[in-house]
Amino acid sequence: KNEVEQSPQNLTAQEGEFITINCSYSVGISALHWLQQHPGGGIVSLFMLSSGKKKHGRLIATINIQEKHSSLHITASHPRDSAVYICAVVMKATNKLIFGTGTLLAVQP
Amino acid sequence: EAQVTQNPRYLITVTGKKLTVTCSQNMNHEYMSWYRQDPGLGLRQIYYSMNVEVTDKGDVPEGYKVSRKEKRNFPLILESPSPNQTSLYFCASSYQGLVGLHEQFFGPGTRLTVL
Repeated sequence: KNEVEQSPQNLTAQEGEFITINCSYSVGISALHWLQQHPGGGIVSLFMLSSGKKKHGRLIATINIQEKHSSLHITASHPRDSAVYICAVVMKATNKLIFGTGTLLAVQP
Repeated sequence: EAQVTQNPRYLITVTGKKLTVTCSQNMNHEYMSWYRQDPGLGLRQIYYSMNVEVTDKGDVPEGYKVSRKEKRNFPLILESPSPNQTSLYFCASSYQGLVGLHEQFFGPGTRLTVL
């Protein structure tokens, strides 16, 4: 069983829809990161969470430490949001990073 | 401009020929790391460093070496590359805060092909 599980693996949405991507983990962590990677492009950090909720523009990220679960929400989705979204956890004892396999999002106009 | 640079961006080499991929950051970050990205496997950590002269193995360190002699540089060394090291490599750095690693800044990636 993977230590970091993301769902769904693939997601297709219509422009304007509300999108949720989920990340569950089984290890003790000090932080969780959400990353974005456009096709053929580099990787950009969206959020770092250690508790609670953060918002940046149309993106919202939440984490529930007790349930070992995080969600990334995109409100009013747009075709430019089409990308791979990756969850990564920082292991508490070692500062090692473990990644989910990513969610491929396609937003159609 | 705050950035992480990697060189080269593309490299085709042959089995057994030693190579180094350089990584440099200008943000005075303590934490630096190397990752490889493979289809179906996602990103995996190779090595990381929490400060100068401190390095630790990630999930897939076999066949790689690193060094951290200066805070800004973190080169990745493949002493004897093999075809299974063909991959897309990313270097990243971040500030190490009290609650954990802060935002990771990624380099542009190095696409390595080992024939």
